[in-house]
Amino acid sequence: KQEVTQIPAALSVPEGENLVLNCSFTDSAIYNLQWFRQDPGKGLTSLLLIQSSQREQTSGRLNASLDKSSGRSTLYIAASQPGDSATYLCAVSGARSWGKFQFGAGTQVVVTP
Amino acid sequence: GAVVSQHPSWVICKSGTSVKIECRSLDFQATTMFWYRQFPKQSLMLMATSNEGSKATYEQGVEKDKFLINHASLTLSTLTVTSAHPEDSSFYICSARDKGLAGVGEQFFGPGTRLTVL
Repeated sequence: KQEVTQIPAALSVPEGENLVLNCSFTDSAIYNLQWFRQDPGKGLTSLLLIQSSQREQTSGRLNASLDKSSGRSTLYIAASQPGDSATYLCAVSGARSWGKFQFGAGTQVVVTP
Repeated sequence: GAVVSQHPSWVICKSGTSVKIECRSLDFQATTMFWYRQFPKQSLMLMATSNEGSKATYEQGVEKDKFLINHASLTLSTLTVTSAHPEDSSFYICSARDKGLAGVGEQFFGPGTRLTVL
């Protein structure tokens, strides 16, 4: 069974610093990996989707990399802002269970002004 | 962009009653929708996969008679929590896969429904 781990569980940085969030998964036979943001009491906002054939995806200040062989993905957020404070979740869709996401527990980020 | 709505956004009910939650894809057709459950401070757990026109597929440990799922059209799936009890109190989130982007596999999530059973 696929297991997804996110480290660290919580992170606090001053405004302007770069954020590095890690996601690891045990089964490298994945279909895709998606990063989400969740604000307290709210649903999920999709940030980046990486297909298994891709190495990275970028959107604005966000960059996500994928290393399937080592079972890792990293989300980089450049020049963090207080508005980036949220919980970040990664989810992995297995190649043999396409569409079913296994979620990590998330990294809670606080960016202080 | 692809938008998924849920209704209601929150509901409080008495123990023993049934509650229906709707999940709609507003600007795309979704042959597949997923239902997740999230406990406080925890991540999302997949409950079931809902396919338009066919029976839902439930994950291990999820009672299908307790959580009834109906996917009657390409834009609507419903989750009914039957005979709700306090332990069913949770945040329920649905997601939908765009029929036109099925090969991409991206899921779009609704805003969630908070259920509190007294």
